Amino acid sequence: RKEVEQDPGPFNVPEGATVAFNCTYSNSASQSFFWYRQDCRKEPKLLMSVYSSGNEDGRFTAQLNRASQYISLLIRDSKLSDSATYLCVVNPYSGGGADGLTFGKGTHLIIQP
Amino acid sequence: DGGITQSPKYLFRKEGQNVTLSCEQNLNHDAMYWYRQDPGQGLRLIYYSQIVNDFQKGDIAEGYSVSREKKESFPLTVTSAQKNPTAFYLCASSIKMGQYEQYFGPGTRLTVT
Repeated sequence: RKEVEQDPGPFNVPEGATVAFNCTYSNSASQSFFWYRQDCRKEPKLLMSVYSSGNEDGRFTAQLNRASQYISLLIRDSKLSDSATYLCVVNPYSGGGADGLTFGKGTHLIIQP
Repeated sequence: DGGITQSPKYLFRKEGQNVTLSCEQNLNHDAMYWYRQDPGQGLRLIYYSQIVNDFQKGDIAEGYSVSREKKESFPLTVTSAQKNPTAFYLCASSIKMGQYEQYFGPGTRLTVT
């Protein structure tokens, strides 16, 4: 059925480095895509929506590849505060429907000093 | 400040007791959702509500009940029929159902012994 796959990590990255990770989705009809950030024992917080043309917000860039059915998140000049779990979220339905938002299990990122 | 509040943050109950988790939002959002998150797992949808006085079962509704008597409020009751209730419960809302971003409350961590 619907599926969103992420590499769970952890990815250990030195401070200042650039890191990127992908998320694949199985439903080619998926219409909207998001990246959320979740800190340990906290709620997910919206990081950015992913548009067809890509989206950039400061050090963060999200891209969508419909042909290969994946979205990516790139973090430049990583900070210690970027350490978190990054959740990929996909909505496969254009007409709405609550079970449209499918969450990946997350990629755990650790920025090391 | 607009936002979503959940209370309490930590809740301890004995097995066999029903417990109600509170969720309130002042974002004027139509749609509200309840998720549960277990360690190392993605979020799973319990119930959702598109509008006042309407709600639908999500993927794992067994052992749970909800009500939506007011736009701002969407309480979740974890009944004694829920076989494994210990989890992190997250409430979310969005402007409407569909392709919109969801915003989360801080969560309630329920432990049943």
